[in-house]
Amino acid sequence: AQSVAQPEDQVNVAEGNPLTVKCTYSVSGNPYLFWYVQYPNRGLQFLLKYITGDNLVKGSYGFEAEFNKSQTSFHLKKPSALVSDSALYFCAVRDMDSSYKLIFGSGTRLLVRP
Amino acid sequence: ETGVTQTPRHLVMGMTNKKSLKCEQHLGHNAMYWYKQSAKKPLELMFVYSLEERVENNSVPSRFSPECPNSSHLFLHLHTLQPEDSALYLCASSQGVSGRTYEQYFGPGTRLTVT
Repeated sequence: AQSVAQPEDQVNVAEGNPLTVKCTYSVSGNPYLFWYVQYPNRGLQFLLKYITGDNLVKGSYGFEAEFNKSQTSFHLKKPSALVSDSALYFCAVRDMDSSYKLIFGSGTRLLVRP
Repeated sequence: ETGVTQTPRHLVMGMTNKKSLKCEQHLGHNAMYWYKQSAKKPLELMFVYSLEERVENNSVPSRFSPECPNSSHLFLHLHTLQPEDSALYLCASSQGVSGRTYEQYFGPGTRLTVT
């Protein structure tokens, strides 16, 4: 079965430190992977996607993600965290059986302390 | 802003009421979606429309009735809801449905409380 796992319910990091939010996936074939962020009382905002090509994908607000096929991972990273990055982050993979469906992870809450 | 608006932002309704949620996208997209987001649960895809035709009805109870009069507007009509239907309802749009690379753009959601 196709799935996405975000193993951490919450990640805590100090402002200015690097952050990583983990995501692993399970799909048949080549995955199409996405990261979204949700701020309080808001909908999801698209951050970045991996389709093909360079394994390091750059996105909005200084975020990047690294695709690792051998580890079936797509971790979200940022070199220097900001307090304003505190939000809920979702990893998603395209359903290979249905092109319009996204399979979302359960979300990881990122808390950046001053 | 993402170019997808939803009204109302908050809605409280009794189990016998009838109400509608509205979504409008200003991105020129051809596909629109309804999702349900409940606490401690992954996002649930409810309905998908492509060029105003429904392409997905993900085993959603009939008390939820979608309507897509054109590619820019999407409604979710609600009637005789249950308290467990209380959730954040998110609308999204994408350029199309056939391309696996299309990202979805989400509205801010309607926070629904059923009393």
